[in-house]
Amino acid sequence: DFVMTQTPLSLSVTPGQPASISCRSSRSLLHSDGKTYLHWYVQRPGQSPQLLIFEVSNRFSGVPDRFSGSGSGTDFTLKISRVEAEDVGIYYCMESLQLQYSFGQGTKLEIK
Amino acid sequence: EVQLVQSGAEVIQPGESLKIFCQGSGYIFARYWIAWVRQMPGKGLEWMGIIYPGDSDARYSPSFQGQVTISVDKSSNAAYLQWSGLKASDTAMYYCARQADTGYDFDHWGQGTLVTVSS
Repeated sequence: DFVMTQTPLSLSVTPGQPASISCRSSRSLLHSDGKTYLHWYVQRPGQSPQLLIFEVSNRFSGVPDRFSGSGSGTDFTLKISRVEAEDVGIYYCMESLQLQYSFGQGTKLEIK
Repeated sequence: EVQLVQSGAEVIQPGESLKIFCQGSGYIFARYWIAWVRQMPGKGLEWMGIIYPGDSDARYSPSFQGQVTISVDKSSNAAYLQWSGLKASDTAMYYCARQADTGYDFDHWGQGTLVTVSS
């Protein structure tokens, strides 16, 4: 099985401060088509997951620009430049190669 | 507006069968893969399988192969997830999600169906 490892598993951030979540894959996520299939989701309390970032660094429609994604190969990062109260939730990375998908364990973001 | 609407919560006895659905609207249903994702109580997301409504091509996670069946009815814009003999360990929230046409991410999600297996 392909494994996605997120760190940290939880973090507590003061509003206005930055936050960073790391995601490491057990295999390279670079496809032969040149794209890298690593995505980020957030699941806010009591809600369905929502897409934040697709293909490493592309913000989905309506996602604020304080969210950014970076990385390549097997190592990826989600950054929030200035955390707001509404950012509370669990953040998941997900890899998708050849119609097989794996999620990271999730990182719980709390507000101090 | 793209929407995925799932069937309502179910309380089922162990050993019973169940089929839940996910109905898409606001887009051409046949052209987008639909995935199913499990979330057990207090746990993370697990991909179960995916189906292409255009030709009913279905792929499964090895963890769920043989445990569930994913199907689709194009005429009603619905995807289905079914079990033939539920266990208490199947108690979970089940989400459907649409795969984006530009990549392999899930750009729209249903509201979830809570399945509780209990005697």
